[in-house]
Amino acid sequence: LAKTTQPISMDSYEGQEVNITCSHNNIATNDYITWYQQFPSQGPRFIIQGYKTKVTNEVASLFIPADRKSSTLSLPRVSLSDTAVYYCLVGARMNYGGSQGNLIFGKGTKLSVKP
Amino acid sequence: DTEVTQTPKHLVMGMTNKKSLKCEQHMGHRAMYWYKQKAKKPPELMFVYSYEKLSINESVPSRFSPECPNSSLLNLHLHALQPEDSALYLCASSHNTEAFFGQGTRLTVV
Repeated sequence: LAKTTQPISMDSYEGQEVNITCSHNNIATNDYITWYQQFPSQGPRFIIQGYKTKVTNEVASLFIPADRKSSTLSLPRVSLSDTAVYYCLVGARMNYGGSQGNLIFGKGTKLSVKP
Repeated sequence: DTEVTQTPKHLVMGMTNKKSLKCEQHMGHRAMYWYKQKAKKPPELMFVYSYEKLSINESVPSRFSPECPNSSLLNLHLHALQPEDSALYLCASSHNTEAFFGQGTRLTVV
């Protein structure tokens, strides 16, 4: 599975846009990029997943350049409640044949949002 | 129902005890996972089940024994644990895209 590298921590203020970049130089053709959010003592929560270009949902956008060796999670107008650890995962989707899905976690980025 | 339910939420056990952690999902997911998470560390994959068969064991010590009785349930049997096994144990299920995680069981071994 492709290894990922993220900044250990980031600080922001309420109302700002936050961009967290993840490097995955060894990404394979079948790999997807998935981001999760985790609060202390809770299970991770899915944020967004993409394969190439740009994906947007109601909470975030994911930008993936053509070479797919990196990706950027964009959180618009963060609030205090967005303070959490954000994980970037890279791997193939789970197939019903039994292959492992993209659920190996790297070290994550601890985002602190200040008032 | 998009929930993964884990019980108990908290567990304290002695090193000679036998206990079990339970995980349940009713989303029809055929892949289920166990993770161990220590404080300020990322979740560490332990086991993966696919179609109720163990497909991945990440070199986990035999004092941890997983079981998948059916497609909705996943158990983790614990025996002769050590204090360093104290952690948050997370269960997840997946349907080929996103994974859903439970809230975890906080395990303390005394």
